[in-house]
Amino acid sequence: GNSVTQMEGPVTLSEEAFLTINCTYTATGYPSLFWYVQYPGEGLQLLLKATKADDKGSNKGFEATYRKETTSFHLEKGSVQVSDSAVYFCALSDRGGNNDMRFGAGTRLTVKP
Amino acid sequence: DADVTQTPRNRITKTGKRIMLECSQTKGHDRMYWYRQDPGLGLRLIYYSFDVKDINKGEISDGYSVSRQAQAKFSLSLESAIPNQTALYFCATSTPGTDTQYFGPGTRLTVL
Repeated sequence: GNSVTQMEGPVTLSEEAFLTINCTYTATGYPSLFWYVQYPGEGLQLLLKATKADDKGSNKGFEATYRKETTSFHLEKGSVQVSDSAVYFCALSDRGGNNDMRFGAGTRLTVKP
Repeated sequence: DADVTQTPRNRITKTGKRIMLECSQTKGHDRMYWYRQDPGLGLRLIYYSFDVKDINKGEISDGYSVSRQAQAKFSLSLESAIPNQTALYFCATSTPGTDTQYFGPGTRLTVL
């Protein structure tokens, strides 16, 4: 079945450091790929998405590129801020009739001043 | 006002009790979902509903039931709560033709 594997945390960075959170997936067909962010005490918010190979999703300085050849969708940001501290979830949707979405385990990011 | 709301936000209950978690949405979406979040496991789908007359089991439906009272309301019930149902529960919505889901703020449930 479909599944998502993302790097384990927690990740601790200093402000302005470069961020990479790795995500790989297993899927039949051509899923859509997502990054969701969960700030403390809140629900998940969509951060970015990509729907086909080589698409790049971007938002708030974060980027991720849909790599079909490596089945990856790594999240990157060039310069993190304290306000980026949150849990990040990689997810895929099979775009089939049931809109089945699978999530990775989540990666907790802490950014220190 | 939030588009997807959940009540209660926190609940502590005892083993064997029946409990209901409620979700309401003002997004006008047809599709609604219930997930549970456990540390290190991400989110797992419990039930989903594509309209008022359509209810489907997800990955981990055992021990749970749901009711879709209206397009805007989707409730999750634990008929007889057990400690391993202690988790954070999220409701989500989506609309046909897009695969983005929108999440409520979550309900933290503790079963003693």
